Amino acid sequence: GAVVSQHPSWVICKSGTSVKIECRSLDFQATTMFWYRQFPKQSLMLMATSNEGSKATYEQGVEKDKFLINHASLTLSTLTVTSAHPEDSSFYICSTGQGGTGELFFGEGSRLTVL
Amino acid sequence: GENVEQHPSTLSVQEGDSAVIKCTYSDSASNYFPWYKQELGKGPQLIIDIRSNVGEKKDQRIAVTLNKTAKHFSLHITETQPEDSAVYFCAARDSGNTPLVFGKGTRLSVIA
Repeated sequence: GAVVSQHPSWVICKSGTSVKIECRSLDFQATTMFWYRQFPKQSLMLMATSNEGSKATYEQGVEKDKFLINHASLTLSTLTVTSAHPEDSSFYICSTGQGGTGELFFGEGSRLTVL
Repeated sequence: GENVEQHPSTLSVQEGDSAVIKCTYSDSASNYFPWYKQELGKGPQLIIDIRSNVGEKKDQRIAVTLNKTAKHFSLHITETQPEDSAVYFCAARDSGNTPLVFGKGTRLSVIA
């Protein structure tokens, strides 16, 4: 069964609105979650690393004020796309794993379309 | 930081033939190398992985080889089937809580 649950799987919003995406770890406590973005026919690009109880670390070029990440518990991390614009339309995917094993599990992804 | 190169970007094979996808990595500290299959509109699914203390791993029709000296690893799919058609990504990371770095992906088409 699923190890990482992501919601919603698909969302359409108007330009200027905010959208929240949830990522839940179902089988273990996730101290770290990774958020990736994938544009059509491209690879997964890391946006940020979120650690439970602390501020997220953002990759170069990713606006932290636009992509708000909250990791308030060991099973839930959220990504909020604030004041979304059409160029933010993408496939957002979260990932987490059990520390030393190395294996990372991915959510099913959330496809955001901004009109 | 880590950089992962993946080739080819597209690959078409006849059903029943083998498919090979190759990746190289740059960071000698990387020690975990997974392969993911991604179908349209879905998140990546882990299909096989290998760690740096192993040179080869096989799971039914899928195998992965790792050459630490040359810093490259490969995915081998034998007896390909149409349902193997998807985008395949290689990735690399070191231990602990570091993120995966992905290759650019290979779109595999298996022609019936």
